[in-house]
Amino acid sequence: KNQVEQSPQSLIILEGKNCTLQCNYTVSPFSNLRWYKQDTGRGPVSLTIMTFSENTKSNGRYTATLDADTKQSSLHITASQLSDSASYICVVSDRGSTLGRLYFGRGTQLTVWP
Amino acid sequence: EADIYQTPRYLVIGTGKKITLECSQTMGHDKMYWYQQDPGMELHLIHYSYGVNSTEKGDLSSESTVSRIRTEHFPLTLESARPSHTSQYLCASSRGSNEQFFGPGTRLTVL
Repeated sequence: KNQVEQSPQSLIILEGKNCTLQCNYTVSPFSNLRWYKQDTGRGPVSLTIMTFSENTKSNGRYTATLDADTKQSSLHITASQLSDSASYICVVSDRGSTLGRLYFGRGTQLTVWP
Repeated sequence: EADIYQTPRYLVIGTGKKITLECSQTMGHDKMYWYQQDPGMELHLIHYSYGVNSTEKGDLSSESTVSRIRTEHFPLTLESARPSHTSQYLCASSRGSNEQFFGPGTRLTVL
């Protein structure tokens, strides 16, 4: 069964600190993996996308890693800011259909305190 | 920021009412999607469309219906709302199988 599991479920850190969010998936055949940021009451916004051959992708203070062999990904946030408070969702796409089927994790709820 | 819009943003209605959630995109994307999301849970695909006059049901069974008469417009309708329909509804669009861009969502509460 194609699944995406994220950990931790929630995380609280102080402003300026770093953190790492985890994503494990069983989706096959794999096409790509995205990390989305979803602010409360808003739709998800894509942060990074990685294909099978990519190990690392950065977007400002966000750095995503992918290990396609172990089917694990992480999102590292450097020097956190209050505006980083949001839900971070790992989304894996398969290439087994023309739809480009997406499998969503439940997200990690990050809270950054001043 | 993606050019995809949803109205209303918030809706509180009584049981039995008919409602339509609007979704429009100005990016010329061929594919459009409706997702349902409960607090702390993953998004579930309830409807999608490959293009004009194409609609398909998603993974999560839903009593709602959709239509795609124009490329840019993908409304979702509930003929008779019930409390179990209370949720957040997210619309998205994509060009082919590329990145899906999401709207801001409609938070529906049925009393």
